[in-house]
Amino acid sequence: EDQVTQSPEALRLQEGESSSLNCSYTVSGLRGLFWYRQDPGKGPEFLFTLYSAGEEKEKERLKATLTKKESFLHITAPKPEDSATYLCAVQAAWGKLQFGAGTQVVVTP
Amino acid sequence: DTGVSQDPRHKITKRGQNVTFRCDPISEHNRLYWYRQTLGQGPEFLTYFQNEAQLEKSRLLSDRFSAERPKGSFSTLEIQRTEQGDSAMYLCASSQDTPQSPLHFGNGTRLTVT
Repeated sequence: EDQVTQSPEALRLQEGESSSLNCSYTVSGLRGLFWYRQDPGKGPEFLFTLYSAGEEKEKERLKATLTKKESFLHITAPKPEDSATYLCAVQAAWGKLQFGAGTQVVVTP
Repeated sequence: DTGVSQDPRHKITKRGQNVTFRCDPISEHNRLYWYRQTLGQGPEFLTYFQNEAQLEKSRLLSDRFSAERPKGSFSTLEIQRTEQGDSAMYLCASSQDTPQSPLHFGNGTRLTVT
C-alpha cells in the first residue's frame, strides 16, 4: 500500500533560521510528488510538482528536491508569513493524490 | 475569482440528519475530486469524477455518502443519517484532464455533527 510520512510533525523557527522538512514515501509507480501549503481554515494551496529523482524546484524562499525515496522542502531565511502547514502528496494512479499528515511550521519574529 | 468554490463554508447538523455540500470547480477543469480532512491529518481521498462520470470511490465512502456531477460542471456530496464521526472538513478540488496536472482546492466545508 502507498504510504507518505512527513517529519517533523511540527517545527518552530526564528525568523531567518533556515530548515528542511522531510517527506518519505513508498509508492508503486510514482507519477509525481506534490507540495502544498495550507493555512488554518483554508484549502491546500499548490506549490510544486516534482516528477523524477534529482529534480529541484524553487519559489521565493522555498526549494523542493526529490530522490527515489524522499523529498525535502527547504525553507531559506523564513519570514512569519511562511507559517503554515506544509503537505506532501504522491500521485500513483492518474489524478488521485495521497497526502501525508503535514508539517506545521511556525516562524516567530 | 476563478478558483474552486464550495458552499456552505460551515454546516452544523444534528446526528441523523442529511446534509448536502456543493462544489463549483474551475471552469476549464474536467476532473473533480472530493477529499475529507480531520484535524492534524492530511486530506483523504473520497471520490473523483471525469466530466460527469464517477471513476473511483474510496472504501472510506460508505453507503451513506453519495456524490454526483450531473452535467459535468458542479458537484454535490450528500451524507445521509450523519454520525459524529462524519465531523470533518470536506474539500473539493479540480484539475485539468492531463497527466500530473496539480489539483486546485477550494476552502472546504466544515461539518460539525452534534
